[in-house]
Amino acid sequence: DAGVIQSPRHEVTEMGQEVTLRCKPISGHDYLFWYRQTMMRGLELLIYFNNNVPIDDSGMPEDRFSAKMPNASFSTLKIQPSEPRDSAVYFCASSFPPGQRHTIYFGEGSWLTVV
Amino acid sequence: AQSVTQLGSHVSVSEGALVLLRCNYSSSVPPYLFWYVQYPNQGLQLLLKYTSAATLVKGINGFEAEFKKSETSFHLTKPSAHMSDAAEYFCAVSDSGYDKIIFGKGTRLHILP
Repeated sequence: DAGVIQSPRHEVTEMGQEVTLRCKPISGHDYLFWYRQTMMRGLELLIYFNNNVPIDDSGMPEDRFSAKMPNASFSTLKIQPSEPRDSAVYFCASSFPPGQRHTIYFGEGSWLTVV
Repeated sequence: AQSVTQLGSHVSVSEGALVLLRCNYSSSVPPYLFWYVQYPNQGLQLLLKYTSAATLVKGINGFEAEFKKSETSFHLTKPSAHMSDAAEYFCAVSDSGYDKIIFGKGTRLHILP
C-alpha cells in the first residue's frame, strides 16, 4: 500500500519566494494533518482537515501560510512570501476518524531551506 | 486540553541494557496514547498505541509501554537495547473520540557500544 506521499522532498529557495508543498494522503483516510518540525520548537501541528474541510488552523503561524485541500487525495501548504525562519521539515500525515483505528501515518517530509 | 511531557531530551544506554523513555500525559477524558519513532531523515513511524484495551501494550521491534492511570504515565521500555534503536522517540496523546493528536518534544535515544 502506498503511504502518505509528499513533494518536493527537498526545497531550497530564496527569501521572498513562494513555496508550495504537496501531499497525497492514504486512500480512505478522512483526516489530513500538516506538521512542522524544527530543533527549537519540536513537532507543531499547523492545520488539519476532516473530509477536505479545515477544522483547526490555530497552529498556522502567520497569514503568510495557507493550506488547501481541494479533494480527498490532494492537499497543499503554501508559504508566501517565505522567510529564513520558515526553514524546517514539513510533514503531512493522514488518519482514519477517532476510534480504534485512530493512528496518524506520516509522509517522509519536505525539507525546506529558505536562504 | 491534552498534553504530553517527555522527561529527558536525550537518553544514553549501553547496547544490551534496558531502555526506559518516560512520558507523562494530561487529559481530561480517557486518552489514546501513542509512541512514534523517527529515524534520521525520515518521517515518524508508529511503534505502539494504547486505546483503552490492555494496559500493557506491545509494539514493534521489541518495545512495549504500560498505561498507568494513577501516575498519568505511559513509559516506553525495551529489555535489551540494540544499536539500530538509536533514533528520536515521540510520545503523543489524543482524547478518545477527539481527532487531534498532540506530540511531545521528543527524546533522542543514543546507544553506546
